[in-house]
Amino acid sequence: AQSVTQLGSHVSVSEGALVLLRCNYSSSVPPYLFWYVQYPNQGLQLLLKYTSAATLVKGINGFEAEFKKSETSFHLTKPSAHMSDAAEYFCAVHNQAGTALIFGKGTTLSVSS
Amino acid sequence: ETGVTQTPRHLVMGMTNKKSLKCEQHLGHNAMYWYKQSAKKPLELMFVYSLEERVENNSVPSRFSPECPNSSHLFLHLHTLQPEDSALYLCASSLLGRGLNTEAFFGQGTRLTVV
Repeated sequence: AQSVTQLGSHVSVSEGALVLLRCNYSSSVPPYLFWYVQYPNQGLQLLLKYTSAATLVKGINGFEAEFKKSETSFHLTKPSAHMSDAAEYFCAVHNQAGTALIFGKGTTLSVSS
Repeated sequence: ETGVTQTPRHLVMGMTNKKSLKCEQHLGHNAMYWYKQSAKKPLELMFVYSLEERVENNSVPSRFSPECPNSSHLFLHLHTLQPEDSALYLCASSLLGRGLNTEAFFGQGTRLTVV
């Protein structure tokens, strides 16, 4: 069965510091992986997606993620955190039928000045 | 108007009430979804509609009743809910098809409180 595990429910960084949010996946078929961001009282917005075209994927707001098959990982990074990056981040994988997304538990990112 | 629109944004209802959540997408997608987001719990997929047919129902209690009259509209009918049903209900849509694994686009959600 398809699943994703996000390590760390809460990550705190200083403004300007590196952001690293971890996601490991389990998939019985080649995975399609996604990162979403959710601001308070809002829906989810797509940050980036991996669809096997390239292992390093660049997304919006300066975020990127690298697909590593050997580590079954798809970690999200940003070189320099901004206060506006404070939000909840979700990693997701398509279910086996390809009909819907299965989400991780989410990681709350806090950014301090 | 573009994207996925959900109404109402906030809803407070008693346990004996009947209410409906509405979702509308203007993206030309052929699949629509209901997700439930509770505090401290991961996003739970409730229902999937593809080409207006329900293709997935993840053991959701019968007090939640979905309806998809066409590819642009999705409803969630609610009746005799429990306080633990209080949550953010998110609607999403996507384009499904052979070889396509596109992302889902989400509405802003309906914050439901059951009293």
